[in-house]
Amino acid sequence: GAGVSQSPSNKVTEKGKDVELRCDPISGHTALYWYRQRLGQGLEFLIYFQGNSAPDKSGLPSDRFSAERTGESVSTLTIQRTQQEDSAVYLCASSLGGVTYNEQFFGPGTRLTVL
Amino acid sequence: EDQVTQSPEALRLQEGESSSLNCSYTVSGLRGLFWYRQDPGKGPEFLFTLYSAGEEKEKERLKATLTKKESFLHITAPKPEDSATYLCAVQARPGGSYIPTFGRGTSLIVHP
Repeated sequence: GAGVSQSPSNKVTEKGKDVELRCDPISGHTALYWYRQRLGQGLEFLIYFQGNSAPDKSGLPSDRFSAERTGESVSTLTIQRTQQEDSAVYLCASSLGGVTYNEQFFGPGTRLTVL
Repeated sequence: EDQVTQSPEALRLQEGESSSLNCSYTVSGLRGLFWYRQDPGKGPEFLFTLYSAGEEKEKERLKATLTKKESFLHITAPKPEDSATYLCAVQARPGGSYIPTFGRGTSLIVHP
């Protein structure tokens, strides 16, 4: 079956511009996560959605970052007024979620470069 | 606060040279420990879940083990295609966060 997909795969933008990244999770997965991975670094948690519950935004680094999810489907991560330090790979993952924790399935990521 | 430390940061092996990667963790109560493999330019790929001390899982040349303080990923007779970054993550018991805590990974290079 189809895995997690993300678009675009690469995004180059100028400092100060807004960008929107998209994630399509695996059908039936109620949990969705966004992570940031800087070059040579580990995964940095950004935001977590579980079903129709309020998202856990505790990892968002600033108010320039926001994310939305429509029901249990597509999610978008928006970065406003991008800065050079926002350059990274943004990874999306989904899992079955619910009351038990399950392994995550990751998308290929979006590589963001801010000039 | 949950913590995960992976060692070594980088490991170079010759093809056929067996070794182990370590994941030490501190959590309030372990629900699950997860191993992932990440190839360059790709998202992490799930390998194993371990739930309790003493548990072991195997897949081809990989074997994951778990104690109350750490997990090992044993690689037997590795091949160049095993070259990747291996990530460990932990998740706490119900009542804790559903957000896993990831280690920074071990970068493995296997030379032919």
